[in-house]
Amino acid sequence: EAGVTQSPTHLIKTRGQQVTLRCSPISGHTSVYWYQQALGLGLQFLLWYDEGEERNRGNFPPRFSGRQFPNYSSELNVNALELEDSALYLCASSQTGTVEQFFGPGTRLTVL
Amino acid sequence: GNSVTQMEGPVTLSEEAFLTINCTYTATGYPSLFWYVQYPGEGLQLLLKATKADDKGSNKGFEATYRKETTSFHLEKGSVQVSDSAVYFCALSASGFPGGGNKLTFGTGTQLKVEL
Repeated sequence: EAGVTQSPTHLIKTRGQQVTLRCSPISGHTSVYWYQQALGLGLQFLLWYDEGEERNRGNFPPRFSGRQFPNYSSELNVNALELEDSALYLCASSQTGTVEQFFGPGTRLTVL
Repeated sequence: GNSVTQMEGPVTLSEEAFLTINCTYTATGYPSLFWYVQYPGEGLQLLLKATKADDKGSNKGFEATYRKETTSFHLEKGSVQVSDSAVYFCALSASGFPGGGNKLTFGTGTQLKVEL
């Protein structure tokens, strides 16, 4: 069974640009979570989507947004990139009604 | 709000030594507790979980017991190997009902280095 996949693996952007990160959950999982792992800040919750709806949002500015598609895959969009957005962005998925979250390998974003 | 506190690292041990990584938590609702492991350059792997008080999670020789009275979930392993070198994260998920899903709140992570 395939795990959570994320694309791209790495990307480099400059300040002010916009970026889209993608995540495909494990087959049968309907919930997708996004987390940011920035150096010195640890793992921070960004967004939770379930059945196409946003269920919860972390303490991040509105320029961080996302969506979940009918096939349960998800995108994370970050507008007006800032240097401090440089981080590893992790996606996780879970089945509705279960507590375990399974993580993808992450997308490493560098903002110059 | 919910929070997780785990011991500062790095922790350096000799192979076959006993490992304890302390984790305590503060949570409302019905928290489930987890240990995740992150190897260099990779994402997080779920190591073990416990969903209610007195549950013991175990996997690959690691174990942790959900202690509600002390709000703790300490990770232990009787004999570590070099291949266990990684960063370990304690985490909780607290929803309004038992077994309910929600965001994960993580501790800061503890780096473990195991030497020959």
